[in-house]
Amino acid sequence: DTGVSQNPRHKITKRGQNVTFRCDPISEHNRLYWYRQTLGQGPEFLTYFQNEAQLEKSRLLSDRFSAERPKGSFSTLEIQRTEQGDSAMYLCASSAGGDPRPLHFGNGTRLTVT
Amino acid sequence: EDKVVQSPLSLVVHEGDTVTLNCSYEVTNFRSLLWYKQEKKAPTFLFMLTSSGIEKKSGRLSSILDKKELFSILNITATQTGDSAIYLCAYSSYRSNTGKLIFGQGTTLQVKP
Repeated sequence: DTGVSQNPRHKITKRGQNVTFRCDPISEHNRLYWYRQTLGQGPEFLTYFQNEAQLEKSRLLSDRFSAERPKGSFSTLEIQRTEQGDSAMYLCASSAGGDPRPLHFGNGTRLTVT
Repeated sequence: EDKVVQSPLSLVVHEGDTVTLNCSYEVTNFRSLLWYKQEKKAPTFLFMLTSSGIEKKSGRLSSILDKKELFSILNITATQTGDSAIYLCAYSSYRSNTGKLIFGQGTTLQVKP
């Protein structure tokens, strides 16, 4: 169990640029989640994958956000035309099937939009 | 609308003190309640509670769920500076079959030497 891995750890970008983050879940976990966390708040759910299928998206996920999980392994989260309000910690989590199960989180990617 | 509320939002204690953190919830089709500890990075899992009145314990930390009164508490005895962190409470609901967790705002605990 090598844990959930996220890259990059930090990303600074100018407003209007596109950014992409990567998440490698725990290898035997078929469930993958993306969350966003801002200062002083708990993580907010963005989207969920079961294997390669994206089964739920939060209304927080505007059309500038897109997530993929090709082949049901790693996942990417892309933000197009970044805005300053996108500055946050983006957390990825995974879990095995069967409920209820705790989610295992990665260390996150901290995005700063200048 | 489902919600989870943590209190207090922040707390400062001295080493050796005992603290109690609170999490109240209003959730349709409640399934489970979880506690996480978050230092500078990833939230790390502490406890998952599904049954009322059964205490989960790990070292100096313990937690219990009251499904009648809709709350959970996390107790930390003999606090140490390493307990300084944000403690997050989260729930899952049968309304969603994704297993996603909905988090409270968190309680920031600072333990002073």
